[in-house]
Amino acid sequence: AQSVAQPEDQVNVAEGNPLTVKCTYSVSGNPYLFWYVQYPNRGLQFLLKYITGDNLVKGSYGFEAEFNKSQTSFHLKKPSALVSDSALYFCAVRDSEGQNFVFGPGTRLSVLP
Amino acid sequence: GAVVSQHPSRVICKSGTSVKIECRSLDFQATTMFWYRQFPKKSLMLMATSNEGSKATYEQGVEKDKFLINHASLTLSTLTVTSAHPEDSSFYICSGQGAIFSYNEQFFGPGTRLTVL
Repeated sequence: AQSVAQPEDQVNVAEGNPLTVKCTYSVSGNPYLFWYVQYPNRGLQFLLKYITGDNLVKGSYGFEAEFNKSQTSFHLKKPSALVSDSALYFCAVRDSEGQNFVFGPGTRLSVLP
Repeated sequence: GAVVSQHPSRVICKSGTSVKIECRSLDFQATTMFWYRQFPKKSLMLMATSNEGSKATYEQGVEKDKFLINHASLTLSTLTVTSAHPEDSSFYICSGQGAIFSYNEQFFGPGTRLTVL
């Protein structure tokens, strides 16, 4: 069965500093990995995905994520955080054979001015 | 990217009434639509998967007679919460998946906040 862990409920970072939101996963086949961001009372917005190819994936709003197969991780990163990045971030995974997504529990990012 | 809309964005109803939420794929044909429920500060919980023209497949623990899902066309799916109760209050999010997209990617609607008084 697929599963996703986001070990941190909350991440606080000062504006201008680099940020990392962690995600680890478990799937039976090849993983398709996604990051979404959710602002209050809004749906999910797609940030980036890893399907195949380069392990470093660049996405929207300056975010990037690195796929690490040996550590089964897909951490989300940004070199310089903005206050407007404050939101709820979800990592999701599905395997190459499946249809459904499995979402992690979410990590709330607070960027302090 | 593909666009999915939901209507209404917010609804308040009395206990015992039924509420219908619409999910539309605006610029693609969604052969499959998913309905999720999200509790405050919690992750998304998949409720059901519906394929156009077929009965929805419900996840374990989701009452199919309470949460009626219809996917009558390739651009519209509806979720009807029947005889709503306060515990049904939640944020409901749909997503669509189209055959033209690779890797079974899902596109999410903006969500509907249901409050049952």
